[in-house]
Amino acid sequence: DTEVTQTPKHLVMGMTNKKSLKCEQHMGHRAMYWYKQKAKKPPELMFVYSYEKLSINESVPSRFSPECPNSSLLNLHLHALQPEDSALYLCASSQGDTQMSYTQYFGPGTRLTVL
Amino acid sequence: ILNVEQSPQSLHVQEGDSTNFTCSFPSSNFYALHWYRWETAKSPEALFVMTLNGDEKKKGRISATLNTKEGYSYLYIKGSQPEDSATYLCALRDDKIIFGKGTRLHILP
Repeated sequence: DTEVTQTPKHLVMGMTNKKSLKCEQHMGHRAMYWYKQKAKKPPELMFVYSYEKLSINESVPSRFSPECPNSSLLNLHLHALQPEDSALYLCASSQGDTQMSYTQYFGPGTRLTVL
Repeated sequence: ILNVEQSPQSLHVQEGDSTNFTCSFPSSNFYALHWYRWETAKSPEALFVMTLNGDEKKKGRISATLNTKEGYSYLYIKGSQPEDSATYLCALRDDKIIFGKGTRLHILP
């Protein structure tokens, strides 16, 4: 099983809503990533969890709050988002995070629209 | 700040022809380089991870080389097929993970 799953596929939320994005993998990977991708642009790294601990936070605003409850799950909690946060949010996982020398497997993404 | 450049931005290749394109980066602070194949409305698909100077990787008709001393990697596609049409992204890490803007490959029938 080389699949990374993400739910929901699509999400529409207002600026006052609180919602969560979920990512799951059962490949035994110990590193998981959140990326933000705007239309026709490459992904931008947001967060990296390595062995369930936050190892990289790319100066992401606090309205995005990641959580890694266990080694298979990664959540992204959203609160008070802005319309410019509308994007495709991609989750990825890899065997480890040692200087990014492991292949990353991407999920299909959650397309988020903030009204 | 790590700057990852990919060239050309766009490429049109006749079906059956071979082609190659480049990912350039500062040669210092190199950890690993990734190549991805990215189709519109899909997530990036990993092709190669390269870490050592002189690395050569191959997957079917696609291969890649890495020169960390001069700061570039080439991706080669032999005998292009319509299904090769996609954007090819490279990504590097030093303290950050940075993606290049990609080379958009169009295969002409």
